[in-house]
Amino acid sequence: NAGVMQNPRHLVRRRGQEARLRCSPMKGHSHVYWYRQLPEEGLKFMVYLQKENIIDESGMPKERFSAEFPKEGPSILRIQQVVRGDSAAYFCASSPTGGGGASNQPQHFGDGTRLSIL
Amino acid sequence: KQEVTQIPAALSVPEGENLVLNCSFTDSAIYNLQWFRQDPGKGLTSLLLIQSSQREQTSGRLNASLDKSSGRSTLYIAASQPGDSATYLCAVSPGNQFYFGTGTSLTVIP
Repeated sequence: NAGVMQNPRHLVRRRGQEARLRCSPMKGHSHVYWYRQLPEEGLKFMVYLQKENIIDESGMPKERFSAEFPKEGPSILRIQQVVRGDSAAYFCASSPTGGGGASNQPQHFGDGTRLSIL
Repeated sequence: KQEVTQIPAALSVPEGENLVLNCSFTDSAIYNLQWFRQDPGKGLTSLLLIQSSQREQTSGRLNASLDKSSGRSTLYIAASQPGDSATYLCAVSPGNQFYFGTGTSLTVIP
């Protein structure tokens, strides 16, 4: 399967723990976007990364959340000291070229990670 | 700030009917509009992407139109099938970000 791979598919954490979500883009794609889908809400943009660079993190909460896309390996979305309100589905998308919508390239999505906070 | 609205929130039709899903957005300064399909527990599948300079795109039984000046798009599904049952999302992009609507949940009854 050459699609966008996210793992784990489901993640359960207790309040105060750390959550690490991983995303491997499609082969040949070097641009990754993270979105969050809260219950009964639409997808909200969080962050846009290129290899080793954060291009736009305007949708990311200022505290406890961070993202990286190293030269080797998957992109990681990290949530520290999780709270109940972090329970959501987190989706990753990739595209072959940058510029977000300006590239006029469709985004390819993974199946998401469902994060549940006890 | 860009806001995207989809009407109706839910739609149920008998198999074989043609149907239209609506999407409206508040800021016409966009590069493109994209329609997606989301199945329960799954990610999004891109159906059609319309660039801001285009009026419509077609793929099989799907036809999407874009009227950028009025901030509207429609997704037309011809001869609906039970396999079309899913949530349909539209998204617009003014730059790095994509702004999504909350979707229309479609059920096609056999």
